[in-house]
Amino acid sequence: QKEVEQNSGPLSVPEGAIASLNCTYSDRGSQSFFWYRQYSGKSPELIMSIYSNGDKEDGRFTAQLNKASQYVSLLIRDSQPSDSATYLCAVTLGRTNAGKSTFGDGTTLTVKP
Amino acid sequence: SAVISQKPSRDICQRGTSLTIQCQVDSQVTMMFWYRQQPGQSLTLIATANQGSEATYESGFVIDKFPISRPNLTFSTLTVSNMSPEDSSIYLCSGGAVPDTQYFGPGTRLTVL
Repeated sequence: QKEVEQNSGPLSVPEGAIASLNCTYSDRGSQSFFWYRQYSGKSPELIMSIYSNGDKEDGRFTAQLNKASQYVSLLIRDSQPSDSATYLCAVTLGRTNAGKSTFGDGTTLTVKP
Repeated sequence: SAVISQKPSRDICQRGTSLTIQCQVDSQVTMMFWYRQQPGQSLTLIATANQGSEATYESGFVIDKFPISRPNLTFSTLTVSNMSPEDSSIYLCSGGAVPDTQYFGPGTRLTVL
């Protein structure tokens, strides 16, 4: 079992729809959770971090965390073609720097105009 | 935010040679990391670059193969030693100054023939 697993994708949604990206992790000691966006040929960009159970909203993005289920998700509302990218889920064991993370394989999202 | 630059951006090397990749951050960061992203795959943490001391390596990575230096808070190097075609990958430097910020450099695309 991989330490961090994501929907294999690819995921395709129409413009304006909600895109839902899911991630599960195996280590119950994990405390910090991150979502990165990676455009093709570019390096990853941190877009959300979440540490506590529940929802965290930032603009069109909402991260959801359920530690009991070892599940973290990212919702993108009003999806735009510019959201088309690979989304990486990353997990760290402690409340430490985001850099020391284990990454999932990513889910590729395509938003169709 | 921090801006991270890497040199070289890409290189093609012969088997058995070594390549040193440089990473420069435009502001002081507390933590710096080196990752590898193989074609079509996610990111794997190689090591944490510690200022003025030996790097901390993740399982599967050793200092003899990937020596790392970090002489100050804004600069680090990663050497890929005695290269083989399996080392062909994108090598990414990352850094952050507070726990939930993480910036990646543009990456170094290495091809080993």
